[in-house]
Amino acid sequence: DAKTTQPPSMDCAEGRAANLPCNHSTISGNEYVYWYRQIHSQGPQYIIHGLKNNETNEMASLIITEDRKSSTLILPHATLRDTAVYYCIVTNTGKLIFGQGTTLQVKP
Amino acid sequence: ETGVTQSPTHLIKTRGQQVTLRCSSQSGHNTVSWYQQALGQGPQFIFQYYREEENGRGNFPPRFSGLQFPNYSSELNVNALELDDSALYLCASSLGGTGHSGNTIYFGEGSWLTVV
Repeated sequence: DAKTTQPPSMDCAEGRAANLPCNHSTISGNEYVYWYRQIHSQGPQYIIHGLKNNETNEMASLIITEDRKSSTLILPHATLRDTAVYYCIVTNTGKLIFGQGTTLQVKP
Repeated sequence: ETGVTQSPTHLIKTRGQQVTLRCSSQSGHNTVSWYQQALGQGPQFIFQYYREEENGRGNFPPRFSGLQFPNYSSELNVNALELDDSALYLCASSLGGTGHSGNTIYFGEGSWLTVV
């Protein structure tokens, strides 16, 4: 079973920041938090990952709480092309256990 | 874009047949994992290969088998195909192994298998 909990769906207005939460209350000390997204019929696209520090790249920012029991993926300026299923995964083996993810709908 | 390529992209097989799917990992990546994604579901981990050895397996029967070659490319073989094997099969590559150190894991675009 997936070790993360995500809301099944979220909406975001185009141009606004999308904040996607993830709960991983049973995370162990050496497990990383990974985020992927998947657009229908395509392979999962890597977004970002981190261990305990906040991370930022050209796609998104990852905010991990100090106790590491939850995290938030931030897409700073959502576009229609960001509409997808977003998966939050924790792992220390490189084997990814996917849950149901969050379907993000970006609306004009 | 990810450097992970899979072939074929689409194929149709008959129940009871065997299929081989192929994956070329990103240059320098020594670890390949395979996933099955049924329609409307999230990907399910099948198994992982590290330096030509199986390094972990999900809840899949033995008729799902794999290989990793010295150049780290990989094959997924499925024998005695069943209708429920119809799915998108995904390959992911990374630099890692038995001790995961937080390396980036990249997916290919997958192979769509339809069993009729």
